[in-house]
Amino acid sequence: NAGVMQNPRHLVRRRGQEARLRCSPMKGHSHVYWYRQLPEEGLKFMVYLQKENIIDESGMPKERFSAEFPKEGPSILRIQQVVRGDSAAYFCASSPTGTVTDTQYFGPGTRLTVL
Amino acid sequence: GENVEQHPSTLSVQEGDSAVIKCTYSDSASNYFPWYKQELGKRPQLIIDIRSNVGEKKDQRIAVTLNKTAKHFSLHITETQPEDSAVYFCAAILGAGGFKTIFGAGTRLFVKA
Repeated sequence: NAGVMQNPRHLVRRRGQEARLRCSPMKGHSHVYWYRQLPEEGLKFMVYLQKENIIDESGMPKERFSAEFPKEGPSILRIQQVVRGDSAAYFCASSPTGTVTDTQYFGPGTRLTVL
Repeated sequence: GENVEQHPSTLSVQEGDSAVIKCTYSDSASNYFPWYKQELGKRPQLIIDIRSNVGEKKDQRIAVTLNKTAKHFSLHITETQPEDSAVYFCAAILGAGGFKTIFGAGTRLFVKA
């Protein structure tokens, strides 16, 4: 049973380019969460999605960032016109249901570097 | 707004000693409190959790306590080993239909052999 998968593991972009981060949840999981971790800091909640629905995007910056979780395929976090401050590790997690006490299983993360 | 404070930010102990990490949360609606361990360059991994209707939970060398009145919860690691060295994060998850997980800033634990 494969765990949560993220790709790419490392992504380098120049300022102004777009970054697309992918997350495939564990088999049987239909709930995905995205977090951002700046160097030497904790994880910051960004967005919570179910299949085809955004449930809570209160942690997502209003501009340049978007997320989706289509019926088929992985969840995608898209960052448009990246800036140096977007450099961080982006983790996704998945859970089988939307129960508050559900364990969230984390992927290995995508480390984004903006030059 | 929602906030989780975690202390200390760095903790150094001798192998075999105990380590205690403390967190406080602001939102009284929080009802689930997981703890994660993150080794350098790796993903966070759940090590123990506690629900709001429980005051204490233990799993081998790890225990967590919760004081809902004071909005405090703590992680206790006994008989520490060098492989316990990592960053530990506490978190609080809002209940009552909320799904946001608020993480503490992390505690970097060093266990000296």
